[in-house]
Amino acid sequence: GAGVSQTPSNKVTEKGKYVELRCDPISGHTALYWYRQSLGQGPEFLIYFQGTGAADDSGLPNDRFFAVRPEGSVSTLKIQRTERGDSAVYLCASSPGQPTDTQYFGPGTRLTVL
Amino acid sequence: KQEVTQIPAALSVPEGENLVLNCSFTDSAIYNLQWFRQDPGKGLTSLLLIQSSQREQTSGRLNASLDKSSGRSTLYIAASQPGDSATYLCAADSGAGSYQLTFGKGTKLSVIP
Repeated sequence: GAGVSQTPSNKVTEKGKYVELRCDPISGHTALYWYRQSLGQGPEFLIYFQGTGAADDSGLPNDRFFAVRPEGSVSTLKIQRTERGDSAVYLCASSPGQPTDTQYFGPGTRLTVL
Repeated sequence: KQEVTQIPAALSVPEGENLVLNCSFTDSAIYNLQWFRQDPGKGLTSLLLIQSSQREQTSGRLNASLDKSSGRSTLYIAASQPGDSATYLCAADSGAGSYQLTFGKGTKLSVIP
C-alpha cells in the first residue's frame, strides 16, 4: 500500500517568508509525527498528533512553528518568518497509534532558507 | 531527557564481513528501540523494532539485540554486501507516555566490493 508522502520534496524560500509543509500519513494511522534533520545529525522530534489533537508539541523550537491536523489525516507544518537556521530536512512519520508500533517515515521535505 | 549515542560514527568494511553497530541510551524506561536505515537524500526505512520486553529481533541478515538494564542495543549485519552501504540510525522513546523518538547521529557504513 501507499506509504507516507510529503510535499513539496524541496522548498527554497527567502528569509522572513512563510512556508507550509504537507504530510499525508498511511491510511488508518492515528498517530503522526514531525521531525527535523540537520546535516550530519539524527532527526529531532518536533510534534506528535494522536488523531486531530497535538498530544506533545514539546519539540517545537519557538512560536514561529505551528502544525495542524484538522481531520485526523493530513497534517501541515507551518513556519512563519523563516530564518536561515530553519534550513533542514523536515520528516513526517505515522504509526497505527500504540507506543509499541513502528513509526513509518516519509521521504522528507528539504527546506532551504536563503 | 533521553540521549542516544552511536559508535562508531563511520565504518568501512570489505564485502562479506560480519559487523556490529552499537547504540547506547540513557533512560532505560523505554517502550521500544528501533533501528533505521537512511540512504543519501532519502527518508528513513525501519529495519527492526525491539519492544522493551524482548531481547532481540531478526530479519534476514540483520539481528538486533536489546539490553534495557544497561541501556545498550547492537545491530549485527551478517555477510555484508555493497548494497548495505547507508547510514544506520538507532532511536529510543522515553516511555512514560512519550511516543517521540530520540535518535543517535548514526553510523555511516561503507561496504567495499
